[in-house]
Amino acid sequence: ILNVEQSPQSLHVQEGDSTNFTCSFPSSNFYALHWYRWETAKSPEALFVMTLNGDEKKKGRISATLNTKEGYSYLYIKGSQPEDSATYLCARNAGNNRKLIWGLGTSLAVNP
Amino acid sequence: DGGITQSPKYLFRKEGQNVTLSCEQNLNHDAMYWYRQDPGQGLRLIYYSQIVNDFQKGDIAEGYSVSREKKESFPLTVTSAQKNPTAFYLCASRTSGNYEQYFGPGTRLTVT
Repeated sequence: ILNVEQSPQSLHVQEGDSTNFTCSFPSSNFYALHWYRWETAKSPEALFVMTLNGDEKKKGRISATLNTKEGYSYLYIKGSQPEDSATYLCARNAGNNRKLIWGLGTSLAVNP
Repeated sequence: DGGITQSPKYLFRKEGQNVTLSCEQNLNHDAMYWYRQDPGQGLRLIYYSQIVNDFQKGDIAEGYSVSREKKESFPLTVTSAQKNPTAFYLCASRTSGNYEQYFGPGTRLTVT
């Protein structure tokens, strides 16, 4: 059952624009929320793992927030660059085991 | 360099033949995973292994088999019983105590 929802499905922005996407998940039995970046012809790469309500994490121009009570996480990219073009995947742990349930991803294209 | 390797990158087989996809890691990770990606679907877990000589079925294990005789290696066999084997297959690994999964480059299998 796909219970990790990501929106939008795809996004086209201009270089320099800031953007954000959403990951929604069931708030019950929450354990951890993951964000991965998957560039074309490369392997998915972990960006963030968040476990606590209110968590905010940052890596360069990319940041993420987590709201476990309402079941959503936002990923923000400030000043998008063409190299940010990728599919951004969200996943949650299925309970306290190490299996992940994945969303379909948001495909970001940054036009120079 | 430490990492996960999958070979080959592209694989073609005739229907009715079994085929084995290779996954090797030199990260000293305990857990390893096999995922499948199809267009319009999120990553789906086929099999995973938490330790050597132990593995569990994921969400779509039918038609697949695995072995974990060595910590570094987790080969996946796609048997003739798998109804729709054509897909992109990703292998991942994770160290115990850490949530992040590290991915290989994937193998694209085409069965005709």
